[in-house]
Amino acid sequence: QLQLQESGPGLVKPSETLSLTCTVSGGSVSSSDYFWGWIRQPPGKGLEWVGSIFYSGYTYYNPSLESRVTISVDTSKNQFSLKLTSVTAADTAVYFCARAQPPSRGWYPSFFDGWGQGTLVTVSS
Amino acid sequence: SYEVTQPPSVSVSPGQTASITCSGNNLGNKFTSWYQQKPGQSPVLVIYQDTKRPSGIPERFSGSNSGNTATLTISGTQAVDEADYYCQTWDSSTVLFGGGTKLTVL
Repeated sequence: QLQLQESGPGLVKPSETLSLTCTVSGGSVSSSDYFWGWIRQPPGKGLEWVGSIFYSGYTYYNPSLESRVTISVDTSKNQFSLKLTSVTAADTAVYFCARAQPPSRGWYPSFFDGWGQGTLVTVSS
Repeated sequence: SYEVTQPPSVSVSPGQTASITCSGNNLGNKFTSWYQQKPGQSPVLVIYQDTKRPSGIPERFSGSNSGNTATLTISGTQAVDEADYYCQTWDSSTVLFGGGTKLTVL
């Protein structure tokens, strides 16, 4: 059974870098069948996609965050990671890691069929 | 940039049919997925590729997508279905979520 677990600091200072890791069990980040990604949710608000990665390292990023985001994959540890630089209070959110499947036609992260429990990251001095 | 729009709230009586819409320009030409999220929990996929239901999702959940509107339909709505629902699609190399709809069962 697929399980994803986010880990990382719950508090980050403004202008610093937010770093999170997602550890995958019951599945492999090396699989050519899936994408892996990050979605965030500010308190009391809706879902916002941050970005997704394929095992080869190919990435898709939210255009509104692209200049500050890096997603990477570590196949040896069965993990993938998120780095978000120059954070502000607006980056305070619950961050979810998730697995994405491609559609029946095309090759892109079409839908998210497995989610981690989420981790709250607060940006504050 | 492309956007998808959902009504902020929908109310339904127990046992009745709830319909939640997701609107976007020519959305019917794209695949749409739907997620259910209850307070304090992670989202759960309930419909993918417009009409497909993952294993374990009750048959009362169904989806359609045509023209400019995708619709999530819950037949025989139960109290346990009260939650936030999000539509999601893909456009120009970007994953897009709707703003979410709060379904109230009363």
